[in-house]
Amino acid sequence: GQNIDQPTEMTATEGAIVQINCTYQTSGFNGLFWYQQHAGEAPTFLSYNVLDGLEEKGRFSSFLSRSKGYSYLLLKELQMKDSASYLCAVNNAGNMLTFGGGTRLMVKP
Amino acid sequence: GAGVSQSPSNKVTEKGKDVELRCDPISGHTALYWYRQSLGQGLEFLIYFQGNSAPDKSGLPSDRFSAERTGGSVSTLTIQRTQQEDSAVYLCASSLVASGPYNEQFFGPGTRLTVL
Repeated sequence: GQNIDQPTEMTATEGAIVQINCTYQTSGFNGLFWYQQHAGEAPTFLSYNVLDGLEEKGRFSSFLSRSKGYSYLLLKELQMKDSASYLCAVNNAGNMLTFGGGTRLMVKP
Repeated sequence: GAGVSQSPSNKVTEKGKDVELRCDPISGHTALYWYRQSLGQGLEFLIYFQGNSAPDKSGLPSDRFSAERTGGSVSTLTIQRTQQEDSAVYLCASSLVASGPYNEQFFGPGTRLTVL
């Protein structure tokens, strides 16, 4: 079966750094995606990892460890507009995306 | 170019009625996906179309749910005899290819379905 876990909610302060973790157990693995979803809007692509290590893209970085079934999304220099849900999704061997429940991040002044 | 579009944006219906939700994928995208998202929850996979292949219907929750994709482009998700638990946001996504590891999915704005 497919199982993807991430914290339900997190709170952080503007200007700080926050790390959102995701652990997965899937029948296959063809890469891991992070999406951002603002309330009432469609998810938008943030990052993709298929090899172990860190992928950096501006204020956002994503890390993957395939042996541990673990990923994290790192957000630096938090801004109020970063308040959103962050969805971890695994592309299994069938090229389907299985999503976690999402982490709702609240950035406070 | 245009992104994924869905219609209607909102749909309120009475329990027991049938509803049709429409998705227009990005032109040239061969793969199309339907998801359901209940309030505050993650995305639940419903059905997936790839080109002319038979669709993967493994995520459909009951036989009241069906979907078609005509001409490899527009898709319609039909829910028959709607129930209150069908209330959710229905999201459609498309991707350029479905094979290979990198198949970034582009999402539409969703249809918010409310069953009274």
